[in-house]
Amino acid sequence: GENVEQHPSTLSVQEGDSAVIKCTYSDSASNYFPWYKQELGKRPQLIIDIRSNVGEKKDQRIAVTLNKTAKHFSLHITETQPEDSAVYFCAARYGSSNTGKLIFGQGTTLQVKP
Amino acid sequence: NAGVTQTPKFQVLKTGQSMTLQCAQDMNHNSMYWYRQDPGMGLRLIYYSASEGTTDKGEVPNGYNVSRLNKREFSLRLESAAPSQTSVYFCASCLTAYSNQPQHFGDGTRLSIL
Repeated sequence: GENVEQHPSTLSVQEGDSAVIKCTYSDSASNYFPWYKQELGKRPQLIIDIRSNVGEKKDQRIAVTLNKTAKHFSLHITETQPEDSAVYFCAARYGSSNTGKLIFGQGTTLQVKP
Repeated sequence: NAGVTQTPKFQVLKTGQSMTLQCAQDMNHNSMYWYRQDPGMGLRLIYYSASEGTTDKGEVPNGYNVSRLNKREFSLRLESAAPSQTSVYFCASCLTAYSNQPQHFGDGTRLSIL
């Protein structure tokens, strides 16, 4: 069935270090992979997304990589700052239907220690 | 530009009561979605509307109904609330379900059922 697994569930890093969050998906037809950041009590906000025709996308300190053969994608945050502390969700669009349905991972709580 | 607006922000219900959660978007988006968020489980799709006039079930539709009132508005109804429906409910919209477009979320409705 449709499934997205996200690891780790919690991640603690020192300010300035890098953080990596990994997701795997089950449907080989998936073709769109967004990442959302959710601060405590706030809405999920899109921070970066990648489509299946590229292997990597970067936006300042944030990058996402995609390995379609292995069906996994990762979020990389470099030079972490305390304001990066939040819950991060990966998602995969299931491309077998014209619904725009996203299946979300379980979330990673990132703590950046000053 | 308000984006996606949800009302109410908070609500407490007694078991068996009914309630409608409202969602409106002003971005001229065609597709709208309702999710629930529970601790450790990410965001799960309840119902969605790929275009005005259509609605379909998501992962967890039991106990809910929806109405796509017009292009802007998509409501979620709990006919007979149960404690298991205590959750944070998010509405989202995207330009179209038929291509890889990001979803934009509202601020959520925090619902407690006693």
